[in-house]
Amino acid sequence: GAVVSQHPSWVICKSGTSVKIECRSLDFQATTMFWYRQFPKQSLMLMATSNEGSKATYEQGVEKDKFLINHASLTLSTLTVTSAHPEDSSFYICSATRSRLASSYEQYFGPGTRLTVT
Amino acid sequence: TQLLEQSPQFLSIQEGENLTVYCNSSSVFSSLQWYRQEPGEGPVLLVTVVTGGEVKKLKRLTFQFGDARKDSSLHITAAQPGDTGLYLCAGPNTGGFKTIFGAGTRLFVKA
Repeated sequence: GAVVSQHPSWVICKSGTSVKIECRSLDFQATTMFWYRQFPKQSLMLMATSNEGSKATYEQGVEKDKFLINHASLTLSTLTVTSAHPEDSSFYICSATRSRLASSYEQYFGPGTRLTVT
Repeated sequence: TQLLEQSPQFLSIQEGENLTVYCNSSSVFSSLQWYRQEPGEGPVLLVTVVTGGEVKKLKRLTFQFGDARKDSSLHITAAQPGDTGLYLCAGPNTGGFKTIFGAGTRLFVKA
């Protein structure tokens, strides 16, 4: 199989605090991980692409200083939402692939993390 | 800009009915994937189509890739309540460094 886990599955935090979300590929080595954000009843919005050992590539409009991404190993990527605000409340989903090229692989998604900022 | 347009956006049908969901683009894609997502969960890959004109079947689900590789369809036969969910089509952008997603079709199958 190709299993991706996320932790935590849901988190509530106070405005101004930081939250870290972990994404792990459990049974394969992921050269590339993607972080998405999904608002209710909408499709996935790509936030950033993370390759092991290098800096993440952020999509236009995504603040790199606010959404810190670290891909320190082939099985773990983390997303830290710094100084969270209520508008950061959303469903965050990661995915992992075995290849750096989207055209030659299929993405395997984690179960998502529901973040609520109060 | 490569876009994937899905239709319909929302579909509510009775158990046992058939339905087709469409995914269209003006751009050629090297492959297209279909995912199903249930509320509060991540998308689950259903199928990847690669060859123009390709047809793949997954139990009651039939996926077709257009001859020109610009469109795809998903046909569900005798829909069941367990088919309820958000169906997303997706494909690699030019250069293949990231995936483009359609807006999704939200399906609700009533018992």
